[in-house]
Amino acid sequence: DAGVIQSPRHEVTEMGQEVTLRCKPISGHNSLFWYRQTMMRGLELLIYFNNNVPIDDSGMPEDRFSAKMPNASFSTLKIQPSEPRDSAVYFCASSLTPWSGGNTIYFGEGSWLTVV
Amino acid sequence: GENVEQHPSTLSVQEGDSAVIKCTYSDSASNYFPWYKQELGKRPQLIIDIRSNVGEKKDQRIAVTLNKTAKHFSLHITETQPEDSAVYFCAASEGNTPLVFGKGTRLSVIA
Repeated sequence: DAGVIQSPRHEVTEMGQEVTLRCKPISGHNSLFWYRQTMMRGLELLIYFNNNVPIDDSGMPEDRFSAKMPNASFSTLKIQPSEPRDSAVYFCASSLTPWSGGNTIYFGEGSWLTVV
Repeated sequence: GENVEQHPSTLSVQEGDSAVIKCTYSDSASNYFPWYKQELGKRPQLIIDIRSNVGEKKDQRIAVTLNKTAKHFSLHITETQPEDSAVYFCAASEGNTPLVFGKGTRLSVIA
């Protein structure tokens, strides 16, 4: 299996521009997560989906952030308009549920976003 | 919701010594406790996990212990090697909600 696939791996954009991050989960996994990692805040869960349905988006920092999962094999995280404080590594991850079974969460390589 | 505290934030050890990282959690219903290792510029990867029906688990040089009464769990690395240098994250879940991660421990193994 190719694992969780994210694109782009690196993006540098100007403040105010729209940023779209993409993710393909591991085939057969029914949960998908978007995390943001910064030095100050560590790994933060932004939103997660079960069976393509958003379950909890309480971690999404502002209305500038939105996420979609139109089908089982694709998800996007969009930031519009982007700001310098959005600079971070954004990880997509996937797993099987239920987590009580100890189903491992697998991370993608991450999208390194720099907003200047 | 769950809250996971991790200590220390940084840890330096001499090669060959042991390293211990500790985490506490707040939700007594949590029953799954994985540990992830993140090397510089890489993704977090699972290295070991423990479930609430087990007090200790070992895998070669790494071990995890769990104290459900005190709501804390620890990662132990023995005979540390330079390749153990990384950021380590603990996490907890009660099964119906996603993992909540600690803030990470940056381990440096000095040769």
